[in-house]
Amino acid sequence: GNSVTQMEGPVTLSEEAFLTINCTYTATGYPSLFWYVQYPGEGLQLLLKATKADDKGSNKGFEATYRKETTSFHLEKGSVQVSDSAVYFCALRTNQAGTALIFGKGTTLSVSS
Amino acid sequence: GAVVSQHPSRVICKSGTSVKIECRSLDFQATTMFWYRQFPKQSLMLMATSNEGSKATYEQGVEKDKFLINHASLTLSTLTVTSAHPEDSSFYICSAHDRDRAYEQYFGPGTRLTVT
Repeated sequence: GNSVTQMEGPVTLSEEAFLTINCTYTATGYPSLFWYVQYPGEGLQLLLKATKADDKGSNKGFEATYRKETTSFHLEKGSVQVSDSAVYFCALRTNQAGTALIFGKGTTLSVSS
Repeated sequence: GAVVSQHPSRVICKSGTSVKIECRSLDFQATTMFWYRQFPKQSLMLMATSNEGSKATYEQGVEKDKFLINHASLTLSTLTVTSAHPEDSSFYICSAHDRDRAYEQYFGPGTRLTVT
């Protein structure tokens, strides 16, 4: 079946450090891939997405590249801020209309000044 | 962007009572809505897929008689937790597909249910 595996947290970084959160997936066909962010006390927000191999999604300084050969979609940011502290979820969705997202377990990021 | 609301945001109820949670798409029509459950420090678990005008499709292990889902219109889906027990305490999140935006999925802010 389809699944998403992301690195266990929590990830604790100092401000301006480089961030990588690993995400790999298992899916039949060619799914769309997503990163969602959940700030404390808030709902999930779409951070970025990629719909086909070699696509790079980017937003707010975060990037992730859809790597079909390694079935990965790792999230990166060159310089994190305290305001980036949140839980990050990697997710996939098959390209069949009306299907739900399948989420990884989430990675908590804590950035200190 | 598209907005999905949930009501209430927090609810505390006594064991044995029923609780209804509403999920609304405020500025788009959602033919499909999803209900997720999030346990502390864990991922979102899909509970059911709700299609407007038809019965919901439940994931394996989710009791459909306990978690009643109604999707009566293109902008409203409800989840009713019947005869709630403390183990039903959780964070319930709905999301809705916007068919006019390539089925982009938008999430509500969630409802924190505590059963005492």
